[in-house]
Amino acid sequence: DQQVKQNSPSLSVQEGRISILNCDYTNSMFDYFLWYKKYPAEGPTFLISISSIKDKNEDGRFTVFLNKSAKHLSLHIVPSQPGDSAVYFCAATDGSGTYKYIFGTGTRLKVLA
Amino acid sequence: NAGVTQTPKFRVLKTGQSMTLLCAQDMNHEYMYWYRQDPGMGLRLIHYSVGEGTTAKGEVPDGYNVSRLKKQNFLLGLESAAPSQTSVYFCASTPGYYGYTFGSGTRLTVV
Repeated sequence: DQQVKQNSPSLSVQEGRISILNCDYTNSMFDYFLWYKKYPAEGPTFLISISSIKDKNEDGRFTVFLNKSAKHLSLHIVPSQPGDSAVYFCAATDGSGTYKYIFGTGTRLKVLA
Repeated sequence: NAGVTQTPKFRVLKTGQSMTLLCAQDMNHEYMYWYRQDPGMGLRLIHYSVGEGTTAKGEVPDGYNVSRLKKQNFLLGLESAAPSQTSVYFCASTPGYYGYTFGSGTRLTVV
């Protein structure tokens, strides 16, 4: 029972273009969502977050969109750079106060120079 | 400021051996977590702690035990290692809603 799904295992994008990474969830109790970026042999690093009371959050080249009715969020990277090549995980948590996150399976982004 | 430190970084165990993975954080975070990462499976929560002296089971707790005797340390134990426990283990901590700080991982191979 996968509560957080990333259906695209990989994505290739040309440098300078937009990268769109998608994530779907099933648990309507989730109220906070994060995106993490992971390079090989390193731990994941926090990228951007969004609360369920918002539908958009921007931070520089990164924007996360949340569609609660569709239980869908997406990460937009504009413009994409070769250094963005990594595995991206979305994660979600409910309001239980334990702050435990359920992670998706990840999408490997490759930005081509 | 070291953040979250995991030791060891690599380990090879024989089936049936035991070991303890150590996670130490210097950020005074209340909440700590152990995840494992397997190909195609993402990160799955093994155990977590909401404060010193507390532990709770996550999604995949079987075969593991944990302890949080000190706020800064979260130990993950394998009592009798099995090949299915071959994985990369990540420790994480957080003060609350603002996401985790992860360690750099421990790559464990059980042969």
